[in-house]
Amino acid sequence: QVQLVESGGGVVQPGRSLRLSCAASGFNFNTYVMHWVRQAPGEGLEWVAVISYDGGEKHYGDSVRGRFSISRDNSKNTVYLQMDGLRPEDTAVYFCARDRCFGCRSFDWWGQGTLVTVSS
Amino acid sequence: DIQLTQSPSFLSASVGDRVTITCRASQGISTYLAWYQQKPGKAPKLLIYVASTLQSGVPSRFSGSGSGTQFTLTISSLQPEDFATYYCQQLNSYPLTFGGGTKVEIK
Repeated sequence: QVQLVESGGGVVQPGRSLRLSCAASGFNFNTYVMHWVRQAPGEGLEWVAVISYDGGEKHYGDSVRGRFSISRDNSKNTVYLQMDGLRPEDTAVYFCARDRCFGCRSFDWWGQGTLVTVSS
Repeated sequence: DIQLTQSPSFLSASVGDRVTITCRASQGISTYLAWYQQKPGKAPKLLIYVASTLQSGVPSRFSGSGSGTQFTLTISSLQPEDFATYYCQQLNSYPLTFGGGTKVEIK
């Protein structure tokens, strides 16, 4: 059974950093592209970042490029999202999601999400 | 970036109704579009990818169509468990983008 479990969320002051983790199980993690998607309270979905199966290719959404960094450790079946220079508008539930197949760019499995609140 | 505009943003319908949601892309994206369903407090669920292919396990009352810039999601006979918010997402290029969502509520 595929499982994605996010952790690392919490309350953080503006300008500070936070690292989210997503632990994967139930599939061959090192053959799948992984994404982060977020959802501000009461709002729609916003794609954040993607990392290729080997970590060699990464892309970011416009609002986080230069501040957030995605990485993975295939030996630990975990994908990370390093968030620096956090802003109040980064407040959201952050989901990790698995790409349905190589190059598909759609998400067939999602974690339950972890809430990040940026507030002084 | 490719913008996706969904309409309507809200609709009220009854069990058994046929429901259609539209997603318009700011530029042509061939059939590189997916649809998701999200219920309150839950992660989204993939319904359809590449515009018209049903994800495994999704009921056949859901269907998708379209290409280029205009796409539709149709629920042929709305069931109680279908009341949720639906999002389209383009698969064509990074940055990936979502539509603003359509909330389907009980009339």
